[in-house]
Amino acid sequence: EVQLVESGGGLVQPGGSLRLSCAASGFTFSTYWMSWVRQTPGKGLEWVAHMKEDGSGKYYVDSVKGRFTISRDNAKNSLYLQMNSLRDEDTAVYYCATGDSGWIFGFWGQGALVTVSS
Amino acid sequence: DIVMTQSPDSLAVSLGERATINCKSTPSVLSSADNKNYLAWYQQKPGQPPKLLIYWASTRESGVPDRFSGSGSGTDFILTISSLQAEDVAVYYCQQYYSAPLTFGGGTKVEIK
Repeated sequence: EVQLVESGGGLVQPGGSLRLSCAASGFTFSTYWMSWVRQTPGKGLEWVAHMKEDGSGKYYVDSVKGRFTISRDNAKNSLYLQMNSLRDEDTAVYYCATGDSGWIFGFWGQGALVTVSS
Repeated sequence: DIVMTQSPDSLAVSLGERATINCKSTPSVLSSADNKNYLAWYQQKPGQPPKLLIYWASTRESGVPDRFSGSGSGTDFILTISSLQAEDVAVYYCQQYYSAPLTFGGGTKVEIK
C-alpha cells in the first residue's frame, strides 16, 4: 500500500523558514517523480514544485521561485521542501503527491499545515 | 500559464440524478504529438486529500465507480456523475498536466438537493 506521510508543518513568523518532509513507502520511491501541492481556502489547489526521480530536474511555480527548494533522498525514501522567506500567502496545507504517470497525482499524503503569521 | 475555469461553483442534485461539471482550459491541453488530452479530475471530501478519479480526460482510475465519467477534448471538458449517491458529496477539481506550472480549476462543490 502506498503511503505518503508529511511532517514539519507549524506556525512561523513572516520571513521565517520551515522544512517539510514526506516519508514514502509502498512503492519504489527512486523511480517516481514527486511533487508538493498546497491548498488554501482562498486559492484552492496550487502545485508548488516537482522533482524528477533522479533529482536532475526541478520545477517551481513562479510565486515560490528563489524561496522554496525541493529535494529528495532516495536512500531514505524521503522528499523535502525547504521554505525560506515565508509570507502570509504561503499559509496552506501542503501535500506530498505522486503517481504512476509523472504529473497525474494518484497518491497523496494527508497534508501538513503551515501557518505564516506574526 | 494554462488557466483552468470550472463551472458551476456549486450544484445541488437529487439522489439518483445526474450531476455535470464543466472545465475549460485556456489554451488547449490536447497534445498534437500523441493526440491525448492532459486533463485529470479529482474528488475531495472534507478533511481528506484529493482523490484521482479520471485522467487523460476520460480514463477512469482503478476502483472508481463507473457512474463517474469524463469527456471532452481540446479546451472543454465535462465530469459526469450519472446517478448521484450520498457518498459523492464533495468538491471536484480539474487539473491540467500538459505543461508546467500544473494548474487546477477552482473547484465545484456537489451537494444533495
